Amino acid sequence: NAGVTQTPKFQVLKTGQSMTLQCAQDMNHEYMSWYRQDPGMGLRLIHYSVGAGITDQGEVPNGYNVSRSTTEDFPLRLLSAAPSQTSVYFCASRKDRGNNSPLHFGNGTRLTVT
Amino acid sequence: RKEVEQDPGPFNVPEGATVAFNCTYSNSASQSFFWYRQDCRKEPKLLMSVYSSGNEDGRFTAQLNRASQYISLLIRDSKLSDSATYLCVVSVTGNQFYFGTGTSLTVIP
Repeated sequence: NAGVTQTPKFQVLKTGQSMTLQCAQDMNHEYMSWYRQDPGMGLRLIHYSVGAGITDQGEVPNGYNVSRSTTEDFPLRLLSAAPSQTSVYFCASRKDRGNNSPLHFGNGTRLTVT
Repeated sequence: RKEVEQDPGPFNVPEGATVAFNCTYSNSASQSFFWYRQDCRKEPKLLMSVYSSGNEDGRFTAQLNRASQYISLLIRDSKLSDSATYLCVVSVTGNQFYFGTGTSLTVIP
């Protein structure tokens, strides 16, 4: 099983460029989310979706857009990259919102904005 | 105030030792609790869920204390392969998960 697949693994952008980080899951999970991980900060939630057509903001949504047109895919768009968006990005899904339903992570995208 | 707080360590322990990590959370309405492990430059992976009655998985035991708002992880008979960062994760609604910054463990031969 592929699980949660993220692409690309690495990306370098110049300030002001835009790009889309891809995330796909093949587990028929309802819930999908994007996190960023910065040193000393822990993982912070950017956006999440509880199903196709439904998205909502997390702790740090500014500068990012998402959409959920299918159950499987949840892309994250950086509209105009800034150096503050240099980070490691993880996509995660879970089966449902039940208390014992854990998050399953993709293997991450390392983004550098110069 | 942070939603979840962990002692960052590092914890350096010899093989075979028992080590315990604690994690405190601020929202008394929290419903879901997990421990994840994260190896260097890798994604977090579920270690175990934490249930109200406490639970055990091999050498790992997790406990939840709702009155004091903390969860704990006990690792017995530490192995070299246990070296990693351990993340405490808490959720209130099931939509937003809050992560601690992680506790670093190194098991020394």
